[in-house]
Amino acid sequence: DGGITQSPKYLFRKEGQNVTLSCEQNLNHDAMYWYRQDPGQGLRLIYYSQIVNDFQKGDIAEGYSVSREKKESFPLTVTSAQKNPTAFYLCATPKREGEVGEQFFGPGTRLTVL
Amino acid sequence: GQNIDQPTEMTATEGAIVQINCTYQTSGFNGLFWYQQHAGEAPTFLSYNVLDGLEEKGRFSSFLSRSKGYSYLLLKELQMKDSASYLCAVKDSNYQLIWGAGTKLIIKP
Repeated sequence: DGGITQSPKYLFRKEGQNVTLSCEQNLNHDAMYWYRQDPGQGLRLIYYSQIVNDFQKGDIAEGYSVSREKKESFPLTVTSAQKNPTAFYLCATPKREGEVGEQFFGPGTRLTVL
Repeated sequence: GQNIDQPTEMTATEGAIVQINCTYQTSGFNGLFWYQQHAGEAPTFLSYNVLDGLEEKGRFSSFLSRSKGYSYLLLKELQMKDSASYLCAVKDSNYQLIWGAGTKLIIKP
């Protein structure tokens, strides 16, 4: 079955440490997105990529970095510069290429900074 | 600025009908989406409206009025498994999704 996976589901890190969240898809899609979700707030776009070796900042990119070396992979690094990293992180890809609205989401990674 | 408003929480009874409202002010409009999100899980797509009117899909229906910047999601014959958050999202003139904070729906027996 085609889909999008994220790992790990739960992640704990100490303050001041960088951490990388994995996102993999086997749908052969070009576009991939990273969102952050906090309680009581809508999803906020961190980074997105429309094609391999290219990515764009979203609304809240500060303190995060990404890479897109392979079509199927779009890892997100939460750096020590991100002041409030504790959140639920979601990776997504459009159901149909070129259409933003209907998206498949990965299961998410809940990051907690201790 | 861009803004999407939804009630924070609603409570309904099993077997009843509930309407979840969403109002939006965005720079342009290229469609409105409803997603369901169970606690601790990822959102899943429910419906899409781009023209005014009602779209029906089983127990769920979604309505759009572009002139009023308003949509609602109607859930009929509520089941306990419908307890979840319902997220409204609008695709703006830049074809980016703007998300509401979601409405937590609590179903009571």
